[in-house]
Amino acid sequence: GAVVSQHPSWVICKSGTSVKIECRSLDFQATTMFWYRQFPKQSLMLMATSNEGSKATYEQGVEKDKFLINHASLTLSTLTVTSAHPEDSSFYICSARDSQGRDEKLFFGSGTQLSVL
Amino acid sequence: DAKTTQPPSMDCAEGRAANLPCNHSTISGNEYVYWYRQIHSQGPQYIIHGLKNNETNEMASLIITEDRKSSTLILPHATLRDTAVYYCIVRPRSGTYKYIFGTGTRLKVLA
Repeated sequence: GAVVSQHPSWVICKSGTSVKIECRSLDFQATTMFWYRQFPKQSLMLMATSNEGSKATYEQGVEKDKFLINHASLTLSTLTVTSAHPEDSSFYICSARDSQGRDEKLFFGSGTQLSVL
Repeated sequence: DAKTTQPPSMDCAEGRAANLPCNHSTISGNEYVYWYRQIHSQGPQYIIHGLKNNETNEMASLIITEDRKSSTLILPHATLRDTAVYYCIVRPRSGTYKYIFGTGTRLKVLA
């Protein structure tokens, strides 16, 4: 089946620094990708919809200047957590759909555990 | 908000069938029901989806009631590796693939 690769799997950073997370669709093109965050023992919360070649659409309450999303190609979306603080520590997950319509489901990456010290 | 409700947790004996219910009473005629599961510290894994007919694949069976207001995911012979959080999601047949996750059911398969 289709594969979504997410990198890095985990990252530790100092407070105030920025962290970039990559999401790649390995064997399909994805004009739309989705970014989620998940706190321990909670469900996935949708943060934003990443659109290839245009601005991302953010969910209510998600700071777009804090969580920068870039979707510059049909196979890559990046999420940058800017000026990270300990409260940004979370599990971040991306997902993507085959934009050529060969599959009626989303594929998810393996997630990135961010710890901000 | 999520359009589905699920019991927070269930236990199942290894080798027995696990039946996970989902209520989606406000589902509309053009909405699919999807099931995913998430094993600890991993991304969600697709299991199965359906519109109105029952579906079966190598992982599970999906039973959708005639009025489509609820469904049941069946894992026919649960193993320890099936221990995970199972999410039932409703998505429009056309348009957005924006999944809204509910709280899911934490299934524990017991040896």
